[in-house]
Amino acid sequence: SAVISQKPSRDICQRGTSLTIQCQVDSQVTMMFWYRQQPGQSLTLIATANQGSEATYESGFVIDKFPISRPNLTFSTLTVSNMSPEDSSIYLCSAMGTEAFFGQGTRLTVV
Amino acid sequence: GQNIDQPTEMTATEGAIVQINCTYQTSGFNGLFWYQQHAGEAPTFLSYNVLDGLEEKGRFSSFLSRSKGYSYLLLKELQMKDSASYLCAVTPPGSSNTGKLIFGQGTTLQVKP
Repeated sequence: SAVISQKPSRDICQRGTSLTIQCQVDSQVTMMFWYRQQPGQSLTLIATANQGSEATYESGFVIDKFPISRPNLTFSTLTVSNMSPEDSSIYLCSAMGTEAFFGQGTRLTVV
Repeated sequence: GQNIDQPTEMTATEGAIVQINCTYQTSGFNGLFWYQQHAGEAPTFLSYNVLDGLEEKGRFSSFLSRSKGYSYLLLKELQMKDSASYLCAVTPPGSSNTGKLIFGQGTTLQVKP
C-alpha cells in the first residue's frame, strides 16, 4: 500500500501558539483525512481534506481552530491554532488506497 | 449517527485464541474495518468486511453480520507481539465518504506468557 510521511513526529508547544502538521503521500489520492487521538482514546475524525475545495469538518471541529490546506493530490496540512493544554493529543492523517492507511502521527504536548 | 461498541480491555494467554467483538448501530455503512495499533504507533490495517461471513487471513480472521450489527476479530495462536489495541471502524454510506472512518473506542489486548 501507499506510504504517508507525516511531520513533525512530536512537538512541545506553548499555549496560545499554532502548529502546522504536514502529510505527504507517495501517490495521488482523492481525499485525505485528519484524526485526533487523545490519550487513552480511540481516533476521532476531525475533517476531510478535499483537493480544490474547502475541508469538510465533523461536528465539534471548526475551521478557525483547525485550518486545513490541500494544495494538490499528494499533500495536506493541518494547523492547530491558539493551542491550549486540552489540544495535547496525537494527530494522524490518512488516505484511502485499497484500505485506509495512516501517517506515523504527531504527538503534540501543549504546556 | 453511528454508535460502535467494543470491550475496553481483554487478557489472553500466549498460544490461545481470543475473539474481540464489535457491535454497531449505524444509519448504514459501506464496510467494516479492523485495525491494530501498538502503543505510540499508527494504526495498521488488518481486515475489511463488506459482505456477511468470515474473512480469514493467516492467524487473523474477521466476521461480519450486517443484519445483527455485529463483527468480531479472531486471533489464533496468540503471540506476545499481539499485545496491542484493536480498533473496529465503519465507513459511512455514500461514495463521498470513501476512506472516512468512524472508530470504536478500541480494545486493549494484553497477551500473557
